[in-house]
Amino acid sequence: AQSVTQLDSHVSVSEGTPVLLRCNYSSSYSPSLFWYVQHPNKGLQLLLKYTSAATLVKGINGFEAEFKKSETSFHLTKPSAHMSDAAEYFCVVSDHEQTGANNLFFGTGTRLTVIP
Amino acid sequence: SQTIHQWPATLVQPVGSPLSLECTVEGTSNPNLYWYRQAAGRGLQLLFYSVGIGQISSEVPQNLSASRPQDRQFILSSKKLLLSDSGFYLCAWSGLAGGPPIDTQYFGPGTRLTVL
Repeated sequence: AQSVTQLDSHVSVSEGTPVLLRCNYSSSYSPSLFWYVQHPNKGLQLLLKYTSAATLVKGINGFEAEFKKSETSFHLTKPSAHMSDAAEYFCVVSDHEQTGANNLFFGTGTRLTVIP
Repeated sequence: SQTIHQWPATLVQPVGSPLSLECTVEGTSNPNLYWYRQAAGRGLQLLFYSVGIGQISSEVPQNLSASRPQDRQFILSSKKLLLSDSGFYLCAWSGLAGGPPIDTQYFGPGTRLTVL
């Protein structure tokens, strides 16, 4: 069965400092993994995805994530936080192979606060 | 390029009133379509998905229904709203083989529904 655990419900960083949002997954198959960002009262925007190619995935807005199979992790990082990064971030695993219907399993989200 | 629209953006309805939320996708054919609900302070819950016209799968028993009268139109409905139907409703699409990656979902801007 697929599942995702986001280890921190809330992360607070100062502007210009690194960001680390943690995600662990459980998957019976070779997973596809995603990070989405959601600003208040907005839809979800795809930041990046992993689909069994390079383990270090670069996304938009300077974010990247590293797939570590041995640790079943897919943590999201950014070297230097910007005020505009303040949002809710969702780690997601795809159940496409199991059901053929492309269901996504969402983590509960991490709210990122950036302090000026 | 593909775009996804949802309307209305916000809606305030009394308990017991009907509901109709609409989602349309442009720039792609035969997409998979999805309805999610995001309750306050919680993650996303998949409500319905559709792999073709008239084909609806329900993920959870509830007061809502979905229909897909056209290839790129997905409608979420209710005959009588409950207080618990309040939330942020998101529509999403994913492509078929040969098009955009099938296991990536792209989200609309959402509809904020408040039931009073």
